[in-house]
Amino acid sequence: NAGVTQTPKFRVLKTGQSMTLLCAQDMNHEYMYWYRQDPGMGLRLIHYSVGEGTTAKGEVPDGYNVSRLKKQNFLLGLESAAPSQTSVYFCASRPRLARGEQFFGPGTRLTVL
Amino acid sequence: AQKVTQAQTEISVVEKEDVTLDCVYETRDTTYYLFWYKQPPSGELVFLIRRNSFDEQNEISGRYSWNFQKSTSSFNFTITASQVVDSAVYFCALMFYSGAGSYQLTFGKGTKLSVIP
Repeated sequence: NAGVTQTPKFRVLKTGQSMTLLCAQDMNHEYMYWYRQDPGMGLRLIHYSVGEGTTAKGEVPDGYNVSRLKKQNFLLGLESAAPSQTSVYFCASRPRLARGEQFFGPGTRLTVL
Repeated sequence: AQKVTQAQTEISVVEKEDVTLDCVYETRDTTYYLFWYKQPPSGELVFLIRRNSFDEQNEISGRYSWNFQKSTSSFNFTITASQVVDSAVYFCALMFYSGAGSYQLTFGKGTKLSVIP
């Protein structure tokens, strides 16, 4: 099992460009999450999904959109990137059980110039 | 409000010293879960422990131990005889019910531990 994978690992964008980050998991988990990590801020939840076809906003959703068309994939989109979106992005998944730990991907380092 | 506070931003210890990382949480829920994650310099997040709100037993795993006290809303993490490989950022997190069958994690800001040889 690959666990949780994220594509790409690194990306540099110019202000105003768009891009999509892909998260894939092969553990048949129902729940998937996108976080961003900034220095001194810990991880903050952007959006999450409790199942295929459903998404919900987290703590810092502005400037991002998500889609969960397939159970194993969770996409994070930036329509018009801004320097404030320079961050490390982590995807996570977990099973439906409330006790389930979240399994994290390796992260994507995004720089917006 | 659901909140996790890690008051220690950075800690430095000399190898073989013991070190305790503090975590204080806030929640009005009676059912919740607490976690510790480790983030080494390589950047990945490594799960260390999960504890539910009904289980106040302390836990020991090798050099790691955790002290959960509901009376003080704390879930502290102690590393005994620290080693250089313990150098990392450690995150405490609270999982709570956010409605519509969904649970969310909220993280503290992390404590950066440096173990000096």
